[in-house]
Amino acid sequence: EAGVTQSPTHLIKTRGQQATLRCSPISGHTSVYWYQQALGLGLQFLLWYDEGEERNRGNFPPRFSGRQFPNYSSELNVNALELEDSALYLCASSSDRGRKSYEQYFGPGTRLTVT
Amino acid sequence: AQKITQTQPGMFVQEKEAVTLDCTYDTSDQSYGLFWYKQPSSGEMIFLIYQGSYDEQNATEGRYSLNFQKARKSANLVISASQLGDSAMYFCAMREGRELGSARQLTFGSGTQLTVLP
Repeated sequence: EAGVTQSPTHLIKTRGQQATLRCSPISGHTSVYWYQQALGLGLQFLLWYDEGEERNRGNFPPRFSGRQFPNYSSELNVNALELEDSALYLCASSSDRGRKSYEQYFGPGTRLTVT
Repeated sequence: AQKITQTQPGMFVQEKEAVTLDCTYDTSDQSYGLFWYKQPSSGEMIFLIYQGSYDEQNATEGRYSLNFQKARKSANLVISASQLGDSAMYFCAMREGRELGSARQLTFGSGTQLTVLP
């Protein structure tokens, strides 16, 4: 079974630009979560999508946005990039149904560097 | 207030010995779940173990066990027979609520960097 995949692996942008990060969940999983991990810090929750809808968002400004497609893959967009947006962005998926619905499986992450 | 607290920024353990990583949590929900993840230097988050708030027995997964003390709101991870490959950052996390429509994202602690010494 293929795991959660993310692209690109690395992304370098300059301040003010826009970044688009992509995530494909495990087959059969309908929920996708985005987390930001700044250097040396824990993970901060960004966004949760389920069945194509945004279900919840963390304490981040509106320039962080995203969407979930009919095949349950997801995009995270970050507009007007700032230096402090440099971080590892992790995507996770879960089925939210069934016995092990609580388990979130993470992708390898996208390392975003803003210069 | 911190919802997940990991008070050990770094820990060292000798190979083949057991180690306990501390985690305390804060929630007013009766129903919640507690998780431990391992993050090697490569960056991916690896799910290790889960404990539900209503689970009567402590969770175990191979060399990992979770010492769940509900009254003290602690969920410590015990790794038995440490291996060099266990060297990584370890995160404790919590998901609050199980009701339909409740938030399902995880709240993470700040992590503990474990180093296994040969």
